[in-house]
Amino acid sequence: AQSVTQLGSHVSVSEGALVLLRCNYSSSVPPYLFWYVQYPNQGLQLLLKYTSAATLVKGINGFEAEFKKSETSFHLTKPSAHMSDAAEYFCAVSGGSQGNLIFGKGTKLSVKP
Amino acid sequence: EAGVAQSPRYKIIEKRQSVAFWCNPISGHATLYWYQQILGQGPKLLIQFQNNGVVDDSQLPKDRFSAERLKGVDSTLKIQPAKLEDSAVYLCASSLDMVGGAYEQYFGPGTRLTVT
Repeated sequence: AQSVTQLGSHVSVSEGALVLLRCNYSSSVPPYLFWYVQYPNQGLQLLLKYTSAATLVKGINGFEAEFKKSETSFHLTKPSAHMSDAAEYFCAVSGGSQGNLIFGKGTKLSVKP
Repeated sequence: EAGVAQSPRYKIIEKRQSVAFWCNPISGHATLYWYQQILGQGPKLLIQFQNNGVVDDSQLPKDRFSAERLKGVDSTLKIQPAKLEDSAVYLCASSLDMVGGAYEQYFGPGTRLTVT
């Protein structure tokens, strides 16, 4: 069965600092991995996805993530945080033929001026 | 293109009452999902449709929850009777297809349900 663990329910960074949000997954089949962002009172928006092509995946808003099979990780990074990045971020895995997503518990990112 | 539409956006009911949520997916999307997101947690799949057939409802509390997808387009999710623990945001999502699991899911804004 697939599962996702997000380390750190709350991460706080200063504006301009590196953003690193951690995600580890468990999957018995080659996984598809996703990062979604959720702004207050809104639905989830896809940031990026890994579908077994390049291991370094670039997404929207300057975010990227690297798939590391040996570490079963898919950490999300952004070189320089912006105030508008403050939101909740969810990592998700999909490994079954039905395409349903298994989400982590989320990491709330705060950006200090 | 228009996104996934959901209504109502907010609903407050008393326990033991019934409630229904509506979802209109993106045009042409064959797969529709209903997720429950409890405060402080990630979304959890309740039910998945492929066209108008149910693919997965293993986590749907069938004694109180029901869902249908009319003509393979719109969908409604109903709770009857509601319990306090049903307080959550109910998210609807759709994707072009489900084969292989790589298709992006597009999410609606959600319905925030409060049961008092």
